[in-house]
Amino acid sequence: GNSVTQMEGPVTLSEEAFLTINCTYTATGYPSLFWYVQYPGEGLQLLLKATKADDKGSNKGFEATYRKETTSFHLEKGSVQVSDSAVYFCALSVAANSKLTFGKGITLSVRP
Amino acid sequence: GAGVSQSPSNKVTEKGKDVELRCDPISGHTALYWYRQSLGQGLEFLIYFQGNSAPDKSGLPSDRFSAERTGGSVSTLTIQRTQQEDSAVYLCASSAAGQSNSPLHFGNGTRLTVT
Repeated sequence: GNSVTQMEGPVTLSEEAFLTINCTYTATGYPSLFWYVQYPGEGLQLLLKATKADDKGSNKGFEATYRKETTSFHLEKGSVQVSDSAVYFCALSVAANSKLTFGKGITLSVRP
Repeated sequence: GAGVSQSPSNKVTEKGKDVELRCDPISGHTALYWYRQSLGQGLEFLIYFQGNSAPDKSGLPSDRFSAERTGGSVSTLTIQRTQQEDSAVYLCASSAAGQSNSPLHFGNGTRLTVT
């Protein structure tokens, strides 16, 4: 079956620190990969995506590269801000119905 | 230009009662999904509707759960004889097409508490 594994949280960083959130996956077929973010009091929203191997998704200073050889899609940001404090979910979808399989999510808190 | 709308935003019910949760997707979106978000459990897929096709019900946890989508738009998730383990945030999402790279647009969810 399909599954997504995220690193355990929560993560607390100081402002301007470097961020890496690990995500690995297993999939039957060739998946598209996503990072979704849930800011406090808001609904989930798409942060970035990649649809084929070696693609790099990027948005709001965040990046993730689709690594087929390591089945990974790690999220990175060079300098986090307090406003990045949120819950981050890695997800994948396979085939035409685009049903998303999510990881458990990780809470990021950024201190001023 | 509204997003996905869910109601109610909060629902407290007694064990054994039935509840209905409503989702209004983005206009024109043919795909609609229900997920459940429990503390520490991430997001659990429940059911998926795509156009006039038979829904994918593979994620529904028991026969107490059912969902309808009327006229290809509004959807209702019904939980019968609620149990305490049903307490969670129920999320609805819609997307423009059933392609594997179409992003989902989520509502803010309904927080269900079963006492």
